[in-house]
Amino acid sequence: DAGVIQSPRHEVTEMGQEVTLRCKPISGHDYLFWYRQTMMRGLELLIYFNNNVPIDDSGMPEDRFSAKMPNASFSTLKIQPSEPRDSAVYFCASILGGGSTEAFFGQGTRLTVV
Amino acid sequence: AQSVTQLGSHVSVSEGALVLLRCNYSSSVPPYLFWYVQYPNQGLQLLLKYTTGATLVKGINGFEAEFKKSETSFHLTKPSAHMSDAAEYFCAVSVKGRDDKIIFGKGTRLHILP
Repeated sequence: DAGVIQSPRHEVTEMGQEVTLRCKPISGHDYLFWYRQTMMRGLELLIYFNNNVPIDDSGMPEDRFSAKMPNASFSTLKIQPSEPRDSAVYFCASILGGGSTEAFFGQGTRLTVV
Repeated sequence: AQSVTQLGSHVSVSEGALVLLRCNYSSSVPPYLFWYVQYPNQGLQLLLKYTTGATLVKGINGFEAEFKKSETSFHLTKPSAHMSDAAEYFCAVSVKGRDDKIIFGKGTRLHILP
């Protein structure tokens, strides 16, 4: 397996534009997590899914953020409209079987909103 | 709810010296504990984990950590630092059966001095 794949690796967009980040988890993994990393706040859990169902979205900062997982091999994180304070690195991670097992991370998407 | 505190956002040690990165957790039930490492422009990789059993856990690259329930700690150590250890290190906690989500500390950047 190629690991967790995120796209794009880098995204620069103007304030007010819609941004969509994509993630392909490792095949067979049943949990998918979205994290946001900034210098100030570290690594924050935004939302996670179990078997494609959102379990906890309490970390999603505002209604401008939404995430979907239409099938076991694909998830999106959308920001609409984007703001400069959304600039961060967004990571996707997948896990097989729950919280005691290793999380495999993608390489992240570096988002810059100007 | 579980949480993780990492003491020191930056730690500097000389090459060959002992590495000690501190992590304290909060959890109302027995936790699963992890250390992850992040190299520049990459996602996180698992160093080691504690689930049950032996409280001294050995990981990759010569790192180890000890689970101390009485101190609610899971400090990461390595007897002799190498230049290649320079990276950011994250402590994480999860609790089986309690949402299975993984909560990360804010990270400690390890600098190795020649």
